[in-house]
Amino acid sequence: GNSVTQMEGPVTLSEEAFLTINCTYTATGYPSLFWYVQYPGEGLQLLLKATKADDKGSNKGFEATYRKETTSFHLEKGSVQVSDSAVYFCALSDVSGGSNYKLTFGKGTLLTVNP
Amino acid sequence: ETGVTQTPRHLVMGMTNKKSLKCEQHLGHNAMYWYKQSAKKPLELMFVYNFKEQTENNSVPSRFSPECPNSSHLFLHLHTLQPEDSALYLCASSLLEGNEQFFGPGTRLTVL
Repeated sequence: GNSVTQMEGPVTLSEEAFLTINCTYTATGYPSLFWYVQYPGEGLQLLLKATKADDKGSNKGFEATYRKETTSFHLEKGSVQVSDSAVYFCALSDVSGGSNYKLTFGKGTLLTVNP
Repeated sequence: ETGVTQTPRHLVMGMTNKKSLKCEQHLGHNAMYWYKQSAKKPLELMFVYNFKEQTENNSVPSRFSPECPNSSHLFLHLHTLQPEDSALYLCASSLLEGNEQFFGPGTRLTVL
């Protein structure tokens, strides 16, 4: 079956530091890949996505590239801010029994950015 | 209006109570989902509705009963819950053909 493995947290960085959160996946087909972010007390928000190999998703300074050869989708940001403190989830989508795309999530990585 | 709304945001209930969680989406989507998020555990998909028809039940105990009267509304009826059911319950929606899910803010449920 499909699975997503992301680096265990928590990750603690100083403001303006470089961020990498690793994510690897296993899938039987050609999934789409996502990063979701969950700020304290809120639901999940889509941060970025990539739908095919070599696509790069980007948003709010975050980037991730769909690497089929290494089955990876690592999240990066060049300079983090205190406001980036949140839990980050890597996910992949797969067509389930019907026409819905079922999401498989990683366990989440808590990021804390200190001033 | 936020795309996906959930009410209430917080709920405390006893094990003998009956309560309902409500989700509403304003995005014109056709599929809706319930997830459970517990501390230190991955997100768990509970139910999927596709054009008001339930297409997935992920071995959820019968004390959780979903209802989807139309493509915009989704309910989760709760009865005789256990303390271990305390969690954040998230609703999401998506286009039938799409693969991007939009989440509501969640209901924080505490079972005493």
